[in-house]
Amino acid sequence: DIQMTQSPSTLSVSVGDRVTITCRASQSFSRWLAWYQQKPGKAPKLLISKASILESGVPSRFSASGSGTEFILTISSLQPDDFATYYCQQYDSYPYTFGQGTKLEIK
Amino acid sequence: QVQLQESGPRLVKPSQTLSLTCTVSGVSISSGAYYWSWIRQDPEKGLEWIGHIYHTGTTYYNPSLKSRLTISVDTSKQQFSLRLTSVSAADTALYYCAGGAGSIDSWGQGTLVTVSS
Repeated sequence: DIQMTQSPSTLSVSVGDRVTITCRASQSFSRWLAWYQQKPGKAPKLLISKASILESGVPSRFSASGSGTEFILTISSLQPDDFATYYCQQYDSYPYTFGQGTKLEIK
Repeated sequence: QVQLQESGPRLVKPSQTLSLTCTVSGVSISSGAYYWSWIRQDPEKGLEWIGHIYHTGTTYYNPSLKSRLTISVDTSKQQFSLRLTSVSAADTALYYCAGGAGSIDSWGQGTLVTVSS
């Protein structure tokens, strides 16, 4: 299985901050990586697919990049609606696997 | 817009079988655009991909669950189902049905299944 490790696990941030979340894979793969946002009591929401493709309706302050074993999600200027937990997921090989999540907390 | 809704018992006894059904609307389950997935989440293990099925019936299972798992599809009813046998407390989780072509762009609301006597 490809293990996905996110860092940090928790991030204390303020509105307006630039946020960077890293997802590292235990083995290299191309660009079959997704990022999700999850709010309490809700299902995850797909933000990014194929490592860097923004889903329709997702604000442009979200961007992502990477390939190989390191992938990055960036929020350019954090908004109040962005406080949530973020997950990466690889779908390069079976079984698909998720990172453990990064929770954004209000500083 | 694709919508998915899980249904099934919320409480299952240890050693018994967990069965859930997902009803899909907004797209034909036979469209070929999606793999239909089951994913579960608990605070300890996070998000775990259980497996998925294509409308043709082709399945891919997580090896950690494969010996206990069956995912099936009924295209006439716009439904796909999960069956997990010999459950234990470790199978207590929020179960989501979902759809996507690798990445998951449509999720059900999730249903909490508790394994307890």
